[in-house]
Amino acid sequence: AQSVAQPEDQVNVAEGNPLTVKCTYSVSGNPYLFWYVQYPNRGLQFLLKYITGDNLVKGSYGFEAEFNKSQTSFHLKKPSALVSDSALYFCAVRDVGQAGTALIFGKGTTLSVSS
Amino acid sequence: DAGVIQSPRHEVTEMGQEVTLRCKPISGHDYLFWYRQTMMRGLELLIYFNNNVPIDDSGMPEDRFSAKMPNASFSTLKIQPSEPRDSAVYFCASSTSGTGLPYEQYFGPGTRLTVT
Repeated sequence: AQSVAQPEDQVNVAEGNPLTVKCTYSVSGNPYLFWYVQYPNRGLQFLLKYITGDNLVKGSYGFEAEFNKSQTSFHLKKPSALVSDSALYFCAVRDVGQAGTALIFGKGTTLSVSS
Repeated sequence: DAGVIQSPRHEVTEMGQEVTLRCKPISGHDYLFWYRQTMMRGLELLIYFNNNVPIDDSGMPEDRFSAKMPNASFSTLKIQPSEPRDSAVYFCASSTSGTGLPYEQYFGPGTRLTVT
């Protein structure tokens, strides 16, 4: 069975500091991995994805994520946080071998960036 | 592109009434998903379609919920009769399989449903 875990309900960082939002996954084969962001009263917006290739993926708004197969992780990172990054972040996974299946979303992590 | 369009954006109804939520996916997308988001349960996949055919409806909470996709540009999620516990934000999302890779899903703005 596929699953994804976001171990932190909330992450607090100061503006200008680096941020990390954690995500671990479980699939039987190889994963497709995604990060989405949700601002208040809005739908989810795609940030970045890992399909294959370079383990470091760069996405929108200066975010990046590193795929680590041995640790089954796909943590979201940003070198310097902005107050405007405050939002709800979702990690999602799909097993490469499970054609026709939908993404499995984590429970979400609230990122709060203080000025 | 206008993105995924959902209507209405807000719906307030009384318990027992029928509620119909509507979605127009992005043109050319062959997958359509319906999600429900609540504080308690987070984001839940209710059902999804591929080429207008329901593929997995195991997330539909009970028989009061039904979804249809009569054509590639329109889908509905119906709740009949509605109950207060159905209060949530309902999202529609669409994606394309293109060459077979799982392209990212594009979400609509959501419909905030309140059942009193």
